[in-house]
Amino acid sequence: EVQLVESGGVLVQPGGSLRLSCAASGFTFSGYWMTWVRQAPGKGLEWVANIRYDASGTYYADFVKGRFTISRDNAKNSLFLQMNSLRAEDTAVYYCARGNQAADYWGQGTLVTVSS
Amino acid sequence: DVVLTQSPLSLPVTLGQPASISCRSSQSLVHSDGNTYLNWFQQRPGQSPRRLIYKVSNRDSGVPDRFSGSGSGSDFTLKISRVEAEDVGVYYCMQGTHWPPLTFGGGTKVEIK
Repeated sequence: EVQLVESGGVLVQPGGSLRLSCAASGFTFSGYWMTWVRQAPGKGLEWVANIRYDASGTYYADFVKGRFTISRDNAKNSLFLQMNSLRAEDTAVYYCARGNQAADYWGQGTLVTVSS
Repeated sequence: DVVLTQSPLSLPVTLGQPASISCRSSQSLVHSDGNTYLNWFQQRPGQSPRRLIYKVSNRDSGVPDRFSGSGSGSDFTLKISRVEAEDVGVYYCMQGTHWPPLTFGGGTKVEIK
């Protein structure tokens, strides 16, 4: 059974940093692109970043370029999102999803709150 | 960037009646490889999104056959043949043809009358 479990979401001050993790199981992690999508409270879904299966390519939404970094550790079946220079508007539930265009499985999400 | 416009925003439906959601794209979603990367997701209250339909009309495993997807080019539709109580939630279309960025529609909230 495919499982994606996000962690690392907390309350952080504006300008702060945070690292989110996504633990994958039930499939060959190293064979899939992976994606981060976020959802601000009461709002819709918004693509954040994705990464090739071998980490040879990464892609970002304009609003996170230069602040967020997506990475992965295929040996540990893990996906990461390093978030720096956080802003109030980054407050959201962050989901990891398997695949790029497919996005066929999603985790339960982790809540990041940016507030003083 | 590709803009996906969903309608209606809200869809009150009587149990057992059909429902239809539209997703219109600002440009054709036919990829150079011949595929059309248009997915539909369901998000029930308090849950994470679940993919229902991929590449316009392919139903995911375990998705009831009352859900169907259709369309082509830049005009797509998700239909529920007979709405059940468990279908309450927000539905999103998503395109993966012209990326980055991957883009989502604004969502359609399905509720029971």
